[in-house]
Parts: sequence; structure tokens; C-alpha cells
Amino acid sequence: GESVGLHLPTLSVQEGDNSIINCAYSNSASDYFIWYKQESGKGPQFIIDIRSNMDKRQGQRVTVLLNKTVKHLSLQIAATQPGDSAVYFCAGGYNQGGKLIFGQGTELSVKP
Amino acid sequence: EADIYQTPRYLVIGTGKKITLECSQTMGHDKMYWYQQDPGMELHLIHYSYGVNSTEKGDLSSESTVSRIRTEHFPLTLESARPSHTSQYLCASKGQGDQPQHFGDGTRLSIL
Repeated sequence: GESVGLHLPTLSVQEGDNSIINCAYSNSASDYFIWYKQESGKGPQFIIDIRSNMDKRQGQRVTVLLNKTVKHLSLQIAATQPGDSAVYFCAGGYNQGGKLIFGQGTELSVKP
Repeated sequence: EADIYQTPRYLVIGTGKKITLECSQTMGHDKMYWYQQDPGMELHLIHYSYGVNSTEKGDLSSESTVSRIRTEHFPLTLESARPSHTSQYLCASKGQGDQPQHFGDGTRLSIL
């Protein structure tokens, strides 16, 4: 079955620095990966997603990298801001069916 | 931005009570999901639906049940609440194609 995990439960960065949050997955058949941001008391908020036929996708200040060879996914946040402080989850699955397997979150703390 | 609403936001109730957690979305999405999330932990899929009169159990076994009589509503019911049901319950919906799952802000349930 699928399992998805993050390498570090917490990450502390200085405001303005770049952040990199990592994730590993086990099921090579997964064709879809997604990152969510969850602030305290709120539901997960979509950040960026990527299909398995891509290895990189960029959004506003965020980039997702997918390395299918080592089954690794990363989220890069440029110029990290205090508002980026939250728990970040990666998830993998099959886009057509929509079912996702979530990994454990990484709590990002941004120091002013 | 998807509009998906969960009520109540918080519920503290005694053991043995019947509970219904409401989830509504106004996007006309066919796919809807219920996740269970313990504090600081990953999300676990407990139920999902691909449309009216379609419900399936998720990857995490749950004593709750769901129904999908109308596209916009996907309520979750616990017939007899127990302290082990204490958790946060998150509802999500997904549109067609490559659209990501969009989440509500959850119901934080405490069973005394």
C-alpha cells in the first residue's frame, strides 16, 4: 500500500530565507502529489500539486520537485514570510479517483 | 476558492449520544471525503463518496457512517459516541479532472 512521510517534524527558518520541506512516498504507482498548508484551527489549504509525468512545477513563491527515481517530493518556499508559519502536509494518490494518502506534517516556524 | 462548510466547529458531548457532523459544499462537486485528524498528526481517510447514493469506507476503520442523498451534503453520523471518537473531523470535496481536494475547517469533537 501507499505510505507518505516527511523527513522532519519541525523546521525553523529566518524570515526572508528559503524553506525546503521534504517528503518520501512508497507507492510508485501514485500519479498525483499535492502539498497542503494547515494553520491552527483551520482545514488544509491547497498550495500546489504535480502529476507524475512532471518533475517540477512552480507557483507563486513555491516550487514542487518530484524525483520518481528515489520516490521523493519536496516543497520549496522562496523568501519565507511569517505568514508561511503553519504545518505542511504532502499527500499522494490517484488524481482521477481523488483518494489521497497523507504524510505526517512538518511544522514550519518563521523567525522574524 | 471552494466553499465548503462544516458544522458545528466544536462539539463537547457525553458518551452514548448520537452525533451528526454536517458538511455542505456549494460547488456542485461529485466527490466528497471525510478525514479524521488527531492533533499534530496526519489526515486519515474514513469515508468517501463519488456522487449521490455512493458511499465507501476509507483506509482507516471508523464506527461512523455517512450518507449522500444530495450532491451538496455529506453528513457523518456516530450512533453512540465514545471517548475514543475524540478527534478532529475534516470534510473535503473535489471537482472534475485535475482540481485538488478543498477542505472545510473541520469539527473538533470531544467525547466525555
